[in-house]
Amino acid sequence: GEEVAQTPKHLVRGEGQKAKLYCAPIKGHSYVFWYQQVLKNEFKFLISFQNENVFDETGMPKERFSAKCLPNSPCSLEIQATKLEDSAVYFCASSQSTLGPHEQYFGPGTRLTVT
Amino acid sequence: AQTVTQSQPEMSVQEAETVTLSCTYDTSENNYYLFWYKQPPSRQMILVIRQEAYKQQNATENRFSVNFQKAAKSFSLKISDSQLGDTAMYFCAFFVYNTDKLIFGTGTRLQVFP
Repeated sequence: GEEVAQTPKHLVRGEGQKAKLYCAPIKGHSYVFWYQQVLKNEFKFLISFQNENVFDETGMPKERFSAKCLPNSPCSLEIQATKLEDSAVYFCASSQSTLGPHEQYFGPGTRLTVT
Repeated sequence: AQTVTQSQPEMSVQEAETVTLSCTYDTSENNYYLFWYKQPPSRQMILVIRQEAYKQQNATENRFSVNFQKAAKSFSLKISDSQLGDTAMYFCAFFVYNTDKLIFGTGTRLQVFP
């Protein structure tokens, strides 16, 4: 598609429940990025993929967060045992390359509320 | 480590006037890109303008232009002829060539008044 698609738009989970978010990058884009925007508007990088391979996962709280980008499937970000502080908007972005002129195109985000 | 600083949490401007949003960054890298993103209340992130660090000429996109001062590590955004639809959060972001993550500032909330 011509836009990054993210589902669902909103997700509400009780503390301790699992949350799974999905992202379909723009067709032809090799790189996928996940960012977390907390209520203070700060963006935190979580993880990036080059096709189905993890490119950089330095931002991931690995004990509860995991992510995948499998061929012919939307990418996913999963949070096991959600905590209140996981409440945020999660953005997925995609780009053609990390070389040369670079633009990351963002999806509309998934708002996760943990109660 | 790279950092991006936006020192103006909020700005306001009257319709049709000009406003400048500030951004400074810190890096030891030489090859990088700078961006301004707009985030309206819908939360959608919209790329406003991009500047390659190796280019001396300031980028311009219609009513939006930047003042890129590489030595001072400054990258301000000027919005001319402000419109009500420009009301949004504006984020300055930094990207090092051949890496991946965008590093964002904390944002400036711009309100355009009629």
